[in-house]
Amino acid sequence: ETGVTQTPRHLVMGMTNKKSLKCEQHLGHNAMYWYKQSAKKPLELMFVYNFKEQTENNSVPSRFSPECPNSSHLFLHLHTLQPEDSALYLCASSQLGASYNEQFFGPGTRLTVL
Amino acid sequence: QQQVKQSPQSLIVQKGGISIINCAYENTAFDYFPWYQQFPGKGPALLIAIRPDVSEKKEGRFTISFNKSAKQFSLHIMDSQPGDSATYFCAASSSGGYQKVTFGTGTKLQVIP
Repeated sequence: ETGVTQTPRHLVMGMTNKKSLKCEQHLGHNAMYWYKQSAKKPLELMFVYNFKEQTENNSVPSRFSPECPNSSHLFLHLHTLQPEDSALYLCASSQLGASYNEQFFGPGTRLTVL
Repeated sequence: QQQVKQSPQSLIVQKGGISIINCAYENTAFDYFPWYQQFPGKGPALLIAIRPDVSEKKEGRFTISFNKSAKQFSLHIMDSQPGDSATYFCAASSSGGYQKVTFGTGTKLQVIP
């Protein structure tokens, strides 16, 4: 595997379900991100982890719970979601401390909440 | 002040034509301006980037023009091809510290034969 991988690629869940999204980066980076991508909106930064420590939580509802067990893996735990949470969830990684924050994205998980 | 405004929302260009996408920003602390390209079913990928100490950067058919005084930058795709059909995002960030990246809303480009 190379780059940033995400699983599953598609997920359909009911509002009472609990599910998790997984992201793995194979680039040796020290920062990982979760973004939400909705139609006609800018990419919304949700969470940032720097060396496994959460450094930003962009006022994300508590029904989204991130977990970063090490610098290569990132999870997004989902529970009691709402239909408006349906979107493409993108994971990204970068090397903080480099000149500029070039982010490398995974293919995303297309989430549908019924 | 953190916004990056992007236009147009969608663009249709004939094969061989020039595609132009424009972005504007407010935060003068931004000093890195990347463009990302996203194909359906894929995540965004870095296409080309510019720093404000130059007014233009060219890589193949892709050129970024940068106007620091107007706080605007644009992407030009010369000789547009059907394979260029994708969504393009401009972005901006500042060096040092946390380096948060702010993205534009995206432009869906369709190049027709």
